Amino acid sequence: DADVTQTPRNRITKTGKRIMLECSQTKGHDRMYWYRQDPGLGLRLIYYSFDVKDINKGEISDGYSVSRQAQAKFSLSLESAIPNQTALYFCATSDQAGRNTGELFFGEGSRLTVL
Amino acid sequence: TQLLEQSPQFLSIQEGENLTVYCNSSSVFSSLQWYRQEPGEGPVLLVTVVTGGEVKKLKRLTFQFGDARKDSSLHITAAQTGDTGLYLCAVLSGTYKYIFGTGTRLKVLA
Repeated sequence: DADVTQTPRNRITKTGKRIMLECSQTKGHDRMYWYRQDPGLGLRLIYYSFDVKDINKGEISDGYSVSRQAQAKFSLSLESAIPNQTALYFCATSDQAGRNTGELFFGEGSRLTVL
Repeated sequence: TQLLEQSPQFLSIQEGENLTVYCNSSSVFSSLQWYRQEPGEGPVLLVTVVTGGEVKKLKRLTFQFGDARKDSSLHITAAQTGDTGLYLCAVLSGTYKYIFGTGTRLKVLA
């Protein structure tokens, strides 16, 4: 089983619908992240969390919200989906970056299409 | 302006050929990571380089961190079809923010 699991893997929805992407991890890491990947733009950070009580906005948080339900679970919500939120979404985890060399462990991605 | 510029964006080569991809910036970094992302999967860390001028080898892959710690290269010797994927460089900015380059998409043809 994957260490970082995302559900659903694929989702097609309509403009205005509420969508939740879920992420769970078995690595025991405190730090969790949500990224979106668009062709030509690389990976951009949406939200990150360093522990259950810590939630922080990334560079592109508008239109998104998150919930850290437990150390192992971090979900991303689109309250009212719009077409330009069509993208590949990744959850990632990391251990505390000691000498700033911490590795990111990614899930397999959730492909979201908003019509 | 992209903090990390990767080149080329796309590369299609025949199996057995050698190739080099680059990750460049005007900023100095304490370390730099290379990830590979295969179709339908998330990125996976290949290597982290931390010292200016450092060279690391991973089988047929050779990674180099520039002397000034502003750039890095990835050289693949005798490419195989299994090397196909998106190669991403990344740096850690501050204590939490990983910044990724836009990637080099490599296709190795049999």
